Amino acid sequence: DIQMTQSPFTLSASVGDRVIITCRASQSISSWLAWYQQKPGKAPKLLIYKASTLESGVPSRFSGSGSGTEFTLTISSLQPDDFATYYCQQYNSKPLTFGGGTKVEIK
Amino acid sequence: EVQLVESGGGLVQPGGSLRLSCAASGFTFSAYSMNWVRQAPGKGLEWISYISIISSTKYYEDAVKGRFTISRDNAKNSLYLQMNNLREDDTAVYYCARDKDSGSYYFDNWGQGTLVTVSS
Repeated sequence: DIQMTQSPFTLSASVGDRVIITCRASQSISSWLAWYQQKPGKAPKLLIYKASTLESGVPSRFSGSGSGTEFTLTISSLQPDDFATYYCQQYNSKPLTFGGGTKVEIK
Repeated sequence: EVQLVESGGGLVQPGGSLRLSCAASGFTFSAYSMNWVRQAPGKGLEWISYISIISSTKYYEDAVKGRFTISRDNAKNSLYLQMNNLREDDTAVYYCARDKDSGSYYFDNWGQGTLVTVSS
């Protein structure tokens, strides 16, 4: 199974900050990576797929990059609506696996 | 508008069974592969099963293989998860999730989830 490791576990930031979340795969997954945002009590929301393709309707302050084993999700200017938990997911092979999540908190 | 509505969750004793349903609307259900993803209380996301558009291909995560069965009824726009021999570590919110494109294996629409609690 491919293990996905996210860092940091928790991130404290202020509105307007640039935020970077890292996701590492235990083996190469090419660009087969998605990012999701989840707010408490809600279902996850797809943000990015194929490592860097922005899902329709997602604000352009979100961007993704990387390939192989190392990936990043960047929020260029954190907004109040962005405080949430973020997950990466690889879909290179089954079982599909998620990272452990990164919680973005208000500083 | 795409809608996925799960039902069938509840409290069950260890070793018991439950059948979850996911009612789909707002899109051509038969054109999309579907998945079940679960989330234990306070924990992260865990994919557990996939089914292709005509049910010809099914995948399971090892922890549920042999105990859970995914199925679908395209005529009823519904996805199912039959869960047998439930264990306490199956306690979670269970989400149905649509593949963005058939066979894409990432998820653009999710239901609101249904809570399954396994406890004596």
